[in-house]
Amino acid sequence: AQTVTQSQPEMSVQEAETVTLSCTYDTSESNYYLFWYKQPPSRQMILVIRQEAYKQQNATENRFSVNFQKAAKSFSLKISDSQLGDTAMYFCAFISNAGKSTFGDGTTLTVKP
Amino acid sequence: DTEVTQTPKHLVMGMTNKKSLKCEQHMGHRAMYWYKQKAKKPPELMFVYSYEKLSINESVPSRFSPECPNSSLLNLHLHALQPEDSALYLCASSQEVPGQRYYNEQFFGPGTRLTVL
Repeated sequence: AQTVTQSQPEMSVQEAETVTLSCTYDTSESNYYLFWYKQPPSRQMILVIRQEAYKQQNATENRFSVNFQKAAKSFSLKISDSQLGDTAMYFCAFISNAGKSTFGDGTTLTVKP
Repeated sequence: DTEVTQTPKHLVMGMTNKKSLKCEQHMGHRAMYWYKQKAKKPPELMFVYSYEKLSINESVPSRFSPECPNSSLLNLHLHALQPEDSALYLCASSQEVPGQRYYNEQFFGPGTRLTVL
């Protein structure tokens, strides 16, 4: 069984600043994918970024990047130049080869003007 | 069309009612998922369908009955629910890639907010 831990229930950041959300996971599998999803208040869950476990290079998507440390089972999300629209709950998720998805408890991020 | 639609948006039902939630996607995805999400909590996986066959059932009570009538549709039939079943029910789909069945991004629908009285 896999577990995903997000140790920061709530975070806040000033607009235009940088913030890092942490995620650690535990699994015995060697091949898997990790995802960060964003769920704005009362809105749809959307993918922010994904990382293939077999790739050493950290994924980036515009202002979003990850720091993937496979040996440490760590997968943090960095948001640069934070915008008001980044205010949301962020979930770290692990998906196994068997199709079982496990989400962390989430981090509520508030971007302040 | 990169959208997953869910109907109804809201549903209020009594404990003796029978109702169904519907999910539809036209992206050609062959994996579809049902999740249950309580307020300020992560989604909890309930069922996974792959090529219209149930591949994962996360020990969900039998009062929830999934159905996948074709590759675009996923239903969740509800019967004799309890007040604690009140939650947001999310549907998702993902594209199958040979050798990487479930690794692709899951596209989520907006959810059905269910209240059981």
